[in-house]
Amino acid sequence: DTEVTQTPKHLVMGMTNKKSLKCEQHMGHRAMYWYKQKAKKPPELMFVYSYEKLSINESVPSRFSPECPNSSLLNLHLHALQPEDSALYLCASSRLGGGVVTGELFFGEGSRLTVL
Amino acid sequence: RKEVEQDPGPFNVPEGATVAFNCTYSNSASQSFFWYRQDCRKEPKLLMSVYSSGNEDGRFTAQLNRASQYISLLIRDSKLSDSATYLCVVDGNNRLAFGKGNQVVVIP
Repeated sequence: DTEVTQTPKHLVMGMTNKKSLKCEQHMGHRAMYWYKQKAKKPPELMFVYSYEKLSINESVPSRFSPECPNSSLLNLHLHALQPEDSALYLCASSRLGGGVVTGELFFGEGSRLTVL
Repeated sequence: RKEVEQDPGPFNVPEGATVAFNCTYSNSASQSFFWYRQDCRKEPKLLMSVYSSGNEDGRFTAQLNRASQYISLLIRDSKLSDSATYLCVVDGNNRLAFGKGNQVVVIP
């Protein structure tokens, strides 16, 4: 069983909807990530939070809005998405040492998003 | 040059055979190297970390060649359950970069 929990597992939304993806971990990791993965492609980094602060934004469109309420939770707010945003959205966490990513990534099972 | 490069394959491997593939990386300052396994429509899971001295876990052996900047994964005595995509992951610029993955299909 994964130690990173993501909800919902599946989400279908229209282009005018507002929805959120949620991620939770209780491993004490201080780095949390959102990745987007399309079929037959590797995970593509979207955002990194280090010590609950946004440290990396890989030029993601503003229709994706991340939020890190505390060290265990990570949200991804979705608004006015496009059909091409349909993908598997993976949350991950890892340890930080001196502010630098150390060790492996632990992934959640992902939220499979379909935008109609 | 991409941060991490892998030949996506697919690698069609007869059951019981050995398969090996490499992954090259561009950042000579990289310190952490991993192989992840990803099954179809599942999340990536750590297969093994790669250490400078090389490491082995059962039928899986990983090697690091810093001079030529590549890591390798060898799978011996392939099982049907080894069919998956094997992702090479390397640190750099305070993030972990993924290769495209090596798709392995073990054939009965």
